Amino acid sequence: NAGVTQTPKFRILKIGQSMTLQCTQDMNHNYMYWYRQDPGMGLKLIYYSVGAGITDKGEVPNGYNVSRSTTEDFPLRLELAAPSQTSVYFCASSYGRTNEKLFFGSGTQLSVL
Amino acid sequence: AQKVTQAQTEISVVEKEDVTLDCVYETRDTTYYLFWYKQPPSGELVFLIRRNSFDEQNEISGRYSWNFQKSTSSFNFTITASQVVDSAVYFCALSEAGDDKIIFGKGTRLHILP
Repeated sequence: NAGVTQTPKFRILKIGQSMTLQCTQDMNHNYMYWYRQDPGMGLKLIYYSVGAGITDKGEVPNGYNVSRSTTEDFPLRLELAAPSQTSVYFCASSYGRTNEKLFFGSGTQLSVL
Repeated sequence: AQKVTQAQTEISVVEKEDVTLDCVYETRDTTYYLFWYKQPPSGELVFLIRRNSFDEQNEISGRYSWNFQKSTSSFNFTITASQVVDSAVYFCALSEAGDDKIIFGKGTRLHILP
């Protein structure tokens, strides 16, 4: 099984550019999450989704947008990239509610210069 | 709102020593779940354990053990006879039954020195 797949693995953006981080899972999981990891700051929740068509804000949603048109896909969009969005982004999924363990993708290293 | 505190930013121990990673949590819910994840230098995040709030039994898995104490709101992780392969960042996380979010602590970076 592929599990949770994130693309791209690395990306460099210029300030003001936009891009979409792709995340797809093949485990038929209902719950999907986007986290960002900054050095020394742990994992911060950006957005999450409890099923297709349903999304909600996490701890640090500003500057990002998400959509969940299918169970498998949960893309994260950066509209106007800023240096503060330089981070490692992780997508994760779980089958049920938050008592279930998370399956993580391998991460996307994003630099905004 | 829920909160997870991992006060130890970085720990270094010599191989074969025992080491304990602290995790203190805050929640107003009576039903909640605690987790530990490991992030080795390769960067992926690996699930280690889940514990629900009604199960205070300590858990042991090989050299790893977890001590859950509701009285002190702590869920500490001990590695016995540490090995170099244990070097990683370890995250404690919390979710509440009435919420859909899983909140992580800032992590503890563990260095096992040969």
